[in-house]
Amino acid sequence: SQQGEEDPQALSIQEGENATMNCSYKTSINNLQWYRQNSGRGLVHLILIRSNEREKHSGRLRVTLDTSKKSSSLLITASRAADTASYFCLNRHAGGTSYGKLTFGQGTILTVHP
Amino acid sequence: DTAVSQTPKYLVTQMGNDKSIKCEQNLGHDTMYWYKQDSKKFLKIMFSYNNKELIINETVPNRFSPKSPDKAHLNLHINSLELGDSAVYFCASSQKLGYYNEQFFGPGTRLTVL
Repeated sequence: SQQGEEDPQALSIQEGENATMNCSYKTSINNLQWYRQNSGRGLVHLILIRSNEREKHSGRLRVTLDTSKKSSSLLITASRAADTASYFCLNRHAGGTSYGKLTFGQGTILTVHP
Repeated sequence: DTAVSQTPKYLVTQMGNDKSIKCEQNLGHDTMYWYKQDSKKFLKIMFSYNNKELIINETVPNRFSPKSPDKAHLNLHINSLELGDSAVYFCASSQKLGYYNEQFFGPGTRLTVL
């Protein structure tokens, strides 16, 4: 299977609930980023976590990184209908050029019902 | 002002044709990328240029040829289009090529090959 797998593939919740998405990877990474993609639009950067960091916050977003389990999670608290989108993790790991390889996860489709 | 722009937004063409997609960024970034998003929303990097120099060239058919006339532009030319080329193509840029740079994405070009 490929580097950068996410689960769940789809998540449906009610407004006000928390949403948690997970991303796993196979080889050691340098950093991991999370992006949001609204339907029919480009990706928007949310947060970057370095390999020596364990947790980062940005507004209602919390990202954790567990390098021993090779996984990261994105938590969106108090979700809103406007959070409905696809969420992708992007990791940069060794390989390819000296600048590493970039690999996206498969994405989680989040639907927040009003 | 749009940070990363792509033209056209939609492209419908016949098999065997040659087409180009243009990308421009006005952020003053050094690095630009092309990604392909397939029908299952899986994103894969195709190319990366840094200051007009090709840095990343993933396993992409040589029918795809990127061209960077200056560091603000990265165009994608596709020869002899095939049905499997149908996808959404995203251009992105980042300030530098280094590891800790977020990427800014364009709105995408939906290519349909008939």
